[in-house]
This record gives sequence, structure tokens and C-alpha cells, in this order.
Amino acid sequence: AQSVAQPEDQVKVAEGNPLTVKCTYSVSGNPYLFWYVQYPNRGLQFLLKYITGDNLVKGSYGFEAEFNKSQTSFHLKKPSALVSDSALYFCAVRGWKDSSYKLIFGSGTRLLVRP
Amino acid sequence: DSGVTQTPKHLITATGQRVTLRCSPRSGDLSVYWYQQSLDQGLQFLIQYYNGEERAKGNILERFSAQQFPDLHSELNLSSLELGDSALYFCASNRGPDSNQPQHFGDGTRLSIL
Repeated sequence: AQSVAQPEDQVKVAEGNPLTVKCTYSVSGNPYLFWYVQYPNRGLQFLLKYITGDNLVKGSYGFEAEFNKSQTSFHLKKPSALVSDSALYFCAVRGWKDSSYKLIFGSGTRLLVRP
Repeated sequence: DSGVTQTPKHLITATGQRVTLRCSPRSGDLSVYWYQQSLDQGLQFLIQYYNGEERAKGNILERFSAQQFPDLHSELNLSSLELGDSALYFCASNRGPDSNQPQHFGDGTRLSIL
């Protein structure tokens, strides 16, 4: 079955420290992977995607993600967290389900960056 | 600003009623996607239209229907509303027919069923 797992409901880090938000996936074939961020009372904003190529993908706002095929993971990272990074983060995979391709989202991870 | 416009922002209605949510995609985008976000179900894909035609279907209830008009705006119709339909409904758009490209999300319609 096509699925995405975000094992942590919440991640807390101090400002200036590196952050990691974890994501693992299960999909047949080559995965198309995405990270989105949601701020309060707003829609999701695209951060980055992996389709093919380098395993380290760079995205918006200084975020990057590392694709690991053997571990079926696509963790989101940032070298130095900002308080303004506090938000809800969603990992998604494009999966074939019910005769069509669609985005399958993880349950979301709330990132809290302490000043 | 994503360029995707959703109206209304908030909707309060009663069980058994019918509502229509509207979405205007980003300029030049031909695909419109509808999602439901709730605390217990998370973010669920409902349906996709591409250039007026239904392209993909997700967990959309039979009480719900959608369409995309020639000017590419889309409407999501929810009928015989139940308490459990209370949620945030998002519309997203992108240029092509496939979900392998980033989607641009509106700010959602918050539906509350009393």
C-alpha cells in the first residue's frame, strides 16, 4: 500500500540549532516526494521535491531534504533553525491508488523552535 | 500569496444542509485539487479536475461532488451535511495533469456544522 509516515507529532529545537523532521514512505516504483509547510490559518506551501537526481534536495527558506532509497526515507533538515520556522510540516508522496496518481500526505509534524 | 483564491473563508451551517465552496486557481493552472483537513483524518485528497474533466478521485463521499467550469474555476458541493463534515477544505492548483508537480494551495474554507 502507498503510504507516508511521519513518526513524530512534534519536534522541539532551540533557535540556531539544526533541525530534522522525519519522513518514511512506502510506494511502488520510483517515488516522487514532497515537503510542504503550513502556517496557522493558511494553506500549505511547497518547500521542496525529489523526483530524480541528487539525493540532497535544496528548497525554500534554507530547508533541504535527504532522500535515502535503502531506508525509504526523506527527512527534512535545516542547519540553523529560526523561531519563524515554527509551523506544521507535511511530507507527501505521489502514489498510484484507486486507478490514478494522487498525493498521499503524512499526518504532519509540528515544529516548535524556542528562542 | 499562492494565487489560489477560495471563498468563503468561513461557513457555518446546520446538519442536513447543502453548501458550495468555490476555488479560483492560479493564473495559467489547468488542474484543481480539493482536499479535506480534519483533526481525526488529517489531510485527505478528495478529487482532481484537469481542464474541465475529472482526473483523479480520492476519498470523496457520494454526498460530495465537484466540477470545473470553462473559466477553470471549481466548485465543491457538499450536501446532507453531517457533524463529521466539519473541517478545513483546501483547493490547490498546478499547471499540468499530473500530481508530480508542486501544488499551490489556497487558504481554505473552514466549514462548521452545528
